[in-house]
Amino acid sequence: EIVLTQSPGTLSLSPGESATLSCRASQNLSSSYLVWYHLKPGQAPRLLIYGAFRRATGIPDRFSGRGSGTDFTLTISRLEPEDFAVYYCQHFSRSPPLNTFGQGTKLEIK
Amino acid sequence: QLVESGGTLVQPGGSLRLSCAVSGFNVRSNYMNWVRRAPGKGLEWVSVIYSGGTTDYADSVKGRFNLTRDNSKNTLYLQMSSLTDEDTAVYYCARGLNGFYAMDVWGQGTTVTVSS
Repeated sequence: EIVLTQSPGTLSLSPGESATLSCRASQNLSSSYLVWYHLKPGQAPRLLIYGAFRRATGIPDRFSGRGSGTDFTLTISRLEPEDFAVYYCQHFSRSPPLNTFGQGTKLEIK
Repeated sequence: QLVESGGTLVQPGGSLRLSCAVSGFNVRSNYMNWVRRAPGKGLEWVSVIYSGGTTDYADSVKGRFNLTRDNSKNTLYLQMSSLTDEDTAVYYCARGLNGFYAMDVWGQGTTVTVSS
């Protein structure tokens, strides 16, 4: 079973700064299966990045994903107030059928 | 658009059926998922139904939850039984992005509380 560990647990930054969020897997992953979402209170989760680096529809280019093997990162440049949320990475697997989420990184306004 | 319903307060050991009404696309055309978030915890994938009708479940719900769809109503159903307090969560319905491993459209969620 693959375990995804996100760091840091909480990241305190100001609007205009850049954020780097980490997602480390317990074993090598295909980048095709690595996804990023964010979740704001009272809202539905939103797809940000899939296939490790592909931006979802409507996601600005301030969001970028990269990585391979066991280490993946989500970078958000020029933070805007609406970016402050909890961010999750996810790995898809059909064998075994297990779609694992990381524990989340809370990006909060400093 | 995805609209979940059916969440409520249920006693331990009880059963409940959640619905996810789909509009704007055919429920058969994408793989469809349920994901939950327990209070104070992160997201947990629960179940998926593929276009062909095959289903998969997380180990934590296998044997207790059953995911089906009604193509005529364009609706998903998650039948949950033998509920415990660990099933207390907001349950989200989410559409799979065809050709990729991702969930690109999500509902607002429905809240299930298991408590006596």
